[in-house]
Amino acid sequence: AQTVTQSQPEMSVQEAETVTLSCTYDTSESDYYLFWYKQPPSRQMILVIRQEAYKQQNATENRFSVNFQKAAKSFSLKISDSQLGDAAMYFCAYRSPGGATNKLIFGTGTLLAVQP
Amino acid sequence: ETGVTQTPRHLVMGMTNKKSLKCEQHLGHNAMYWYKQSAKKPLELMFVYSLEERVENNSVPSRFSPECPNSSHLFLHLHTLQPEDSALYLCASSQASSGEVAKDTQYFGPGTRLTVL
Repeated sequence: AQTVTQSQPEMSVQEAETVTLSCTYDTSESDYYLFWYKQPPSRQMILVIRQEAYKQQNATENRFSVNFQKAAKSFSLKISDSQLGDAAMYFCAYRSPGGATNKLIFGTGTLLAVQP
Repeated sequence: ETGVTQTPRHLVMGMTNKKSLKCEQHLGHNAMYWYKQSAKKPLELMFVYSLEERVENNSVPSRFSPECPNSSHLFLHLHTLQPEDSALYLCASSQASSGEVAKDTQYFGPGTRLTVL
């Protein structure tokens, strides 16, 4: 069975600085999808960024980018020019391709604090 | 935040009560999900409905009973819950099996914060 591990329960970053959140996963599949979701306090969980495993190029979305190391089964999230609104719980998630459902397997999350 | 809505946002119930959580998606998706989010634990997938048919039930106790009357609505009926069932219950939807991850992405509702006394 697939598992997702986020080894950093909490992180802190100064406003305008860069922070990297770690995520590792375990799978025997060769094709899959990876996601980072953000859950602000008392607000909705929203998708930050996603990566298809067959793509070698790292995904980027504005200030958010990933470092996808398939051989190492690592999928870290880099937040550049951190803003106060980035403070949230961040979840890494794994999904197998295809099938009738899109079952997501989540990590335990990393709580990011942004210091002004 | 109007793609997936959940009501109520907060619910306090006794162990002998019967209540229902409601989820509605306005995204035209064909799959809906219930997750349980407890502190310091990964989100736990409870149920999955695809095209209104339950396709996954992750060994959830029978005191939780899902219902999906159509592709836009999902309910979670609760009865005789235990204090350990207190958690944030999240609903999500997606366009399953489209073959495109951009369309397969799950979109979440704001959740119902449930407290069982």
